[in-house]
Amino acid sequence: DGGITQSPKYLFRKEGQNVTLSCEQNLNHDAMYWYRQDPGQGLRLIYYSQIVNDFQKGDIAEGYSVSREKKESFPLTVTSAQKNPTAFYLCASLRTNTGELFFGEGSRLTVL
Amino acid sequence: AQSVTQPDIHITVSEGASLELRCNYSYGATPYLFWYVQSPGQGLQLLLKYFSGDTLVQGIKGFEAEFKRSQSSFNLRKPSVHWSDAAEYFCAVGPTGGGNKLTFGTGTQLKVEL
Repeated sequence: DGGITQSPKYLFRKEGQNVTLSCEQNLNHDAMYWYRQDPGQGLRLIYYSQIVNDFQKGDIAEGYSVSREKKESFPLTVTSAQKNPTAFYLCASLRTNTGELFFGEGSRLTVL
Repeated sequence: AQSVTQPDIHITVSEGASLELRCNYSYGATPYLFWYVQSPGQGLQLLLKYFSGDTLVQGIKGFEAEFKRSQSSFNLRKPSVHWSDAAEYFCAVGPTGGGNKLTFGTGTQLKVEL
């Protein structure tokens, strides 16, 4: 079945460490997105990519970085510059003709 | 700027009772409107969407929503709630094509009492 796979599901890191969250899709979608979810704040857009080798900052990009070397993959790196990285991270891709976002199951990052 | 308001943070209903979750939006043109559902620790799943045409749209799991332009609302309804409907529900609004221009509400947490 087609879908989006995020890994790892749970991740712990010490302060000052960078961590990379994986996102892979086999839906053949061009556009992919990273969201951050905190209790009571809904989803906030971190970065998005509309095509391979191109990506744009979202509303809360500071302290994060991404790459898009392949259509299927859109990894997110949470750097030590991110002041409050503990959160639930969601990756999504877009079915362009319907505007529907397809989401992965998320990665929960906890900074110790 | 576009925005979405879900006025109810938490709602509790009894199993078998009817449900209405409120969503109000602010948008300068005809919007694309979505309702998504999220089970604990999971990603979001699309329940239904409105692009144009009939203002009453049907979705999965027996849900429906009605677009009311005059009230800038897109409320989600279900005639009879099942215990498995307990989850968090998000309304979203955006322009044609959605994507990076999609704005999500803060969500409504639904609890179902048996």
